Amino acid sequence: QLQLRGSGPGLLKPSETLSLTCTVSGVSIRSPSYTWDWIRQPPGKGLEWIGSLYYPQSTSYNPSLKSRNTYYNPSLKSRVTLSVDPSKNQFSLTVTSLTAADTAVYYCARHSRPIRSGYFDYWDQGTLVTVSS
Amino acid sequence: QSVLTQPPSASGTPGQRVTISCSGSTSNIGAYPVNWYQQLPGTAPKLLIYSDNQRPSGVPDRFSGSKSGTSASLAVSGLQSEDEADYYCASWDDSLNGRVFGGGTKLTVL
Repeated sequence: QLQLRGSGPGLLKPSETLSLTCTVSGVSIRSPSYTWDWIRQPPGKGLEWIGSLYYPQSTSYNPSLKSRNTYYNPSLKSRVTLSVDPSKNQFSLTVTSLTAADTAVYYCARHSRPIRSGYFDYWDQGTLVTVSS
Repeated sequence: QSVLTQPPSASGTPGQRVTISCSGSTSNIGAYPVNWYQQLPGTAPKLLIYSDNQRPSGVPDRFSGSKSGTSASLAVSGLQSEDEADYYCASWDDSLNGRVFGGGTKLTVL
């Protein structure tokens, strides 16, 4: 059955870099039917979409290129990078220059396609990330 | 502020019908489908309504969605205590070229 499991550090200091990984089981991350997204939720607040990534069908895919096959929240774009490791069926989130405002529960989720018309159908349990000195 | 506007709270007594609104613009709700998510305390959000008015299997028919122009609504009829949760609308926004959520509505069953 389909499962998403997020993992990463729970406590970081201001100015540090956050790296979270989401391991997917039960479906290939290469599937053209989905995007793989990150969403966060500060304590006591609402949901904020971070970004979306999909595995390209082109064989010339270069995972180091930030702008390909990804969509980012404009308010976070300068600090966020999404990447995918199909050999491990994982996708990852990196957020640089952390501040206390980045303290939140971070969710990874699957979103059906079309990209603009689909919906989130599977979520992980969430990873609490606290940024504090 | 969220791109999609929801009332922060809503309430009703058991058995009542409650409606939660979600207001947007021509670049989001007016152009793309709306989805609704239910978030019970301490848990991840769960898909409640997709494509404006479709229910995933397993979601009770007490929950229904509708859309008109640049606004959408979620209705909960026959309110039950287990419906007490936060509800979020979501869509795509062309101006931001990304996904957007409403600010969320906390539903209280009195």
